[in-house]
Amino acid sequence: AQKVTQAQTEISVVEKEDVTLDCVYETRDTTYYLFWYKQPPSGELVFLIRRNSFDEQNEISGRYSWNFQKSTSSFNFTITASQVVDSAVYFCALSEVGGGADGLTFGKGTHLIIQP
Amino acid sequence: GAGVSQSPSNKVTEKGKDVELRCDPISGHTALYWYRQSLGQGLEFLIYFQGNSAPDKSGLPSDRFSAERTGGSVSTLTIQRTQQEDSAVYLCASSLFPPRGAGEQFFGPGTRLTVL
Repeated sequence: AQKVTQAQTEISVVEKEDVTLDCVYETRDTTYYLFWYKQPPSGELVFLIRRNSFDEQNEISGRYSWNFQKSTSSFNFTITASQVVDSAVYFCALSEVGGGADGLTFGKGTHLIIQP
Repeated sequence: GAGVSQSPSNKVTEKGKDVELRCDPISGHTALYWYRQSLGQGLEFLIYFQGNSAPDKSGLPSDRFSAERTGGSVSTLTIQRTQQEDSAVYLCASSLFPPRGAGEQFFGPGTRLTVL
């Protein structure tokens, strides 16, 4: 069965520090998609990125970057030069193409606190 | 354009009462999903609709839960004889493409249900 683990329940850093949020997944499927979502205090989940299992290229979008490594089943998310507005709960999620549920399988989330 | 909307935003009810939660997906999105977010369980997938059909209802927590979708648009999640453990935020999402693939899901703001 599919599973997503976000071992860091809460991280607190000072503004401008770099921070990495870890995500480890388990799946028996060879074709799958990984996602990151942000949930700010307002509560609405905001899509950040999608990565398919055949594309291990790292991706950078502004201050955000993602490191996908199939060898370690990880899909980590790094925020460079963090800002207070980055404070939120971040969720990693998995979608299997061949099996599993029709919905996304989410990790428990990492609560990121950026202190000014 | 308009995003996913949900109503009510907050619902307080007494144990044993029935409640209806409504979701309006993004126009043109054929896939619609319900999730539940609670402190203990994190984000759980409940049910998925493709058009008006839900292929698999096994994710619903109990037979007190039911969902329907009409006209390929609005969906209603009904909880009968509510229990305190039903207290959670119920999130709705929609996507342009079917699940198990690349299509990202767009989430609504959720309905916070409190059962007294």
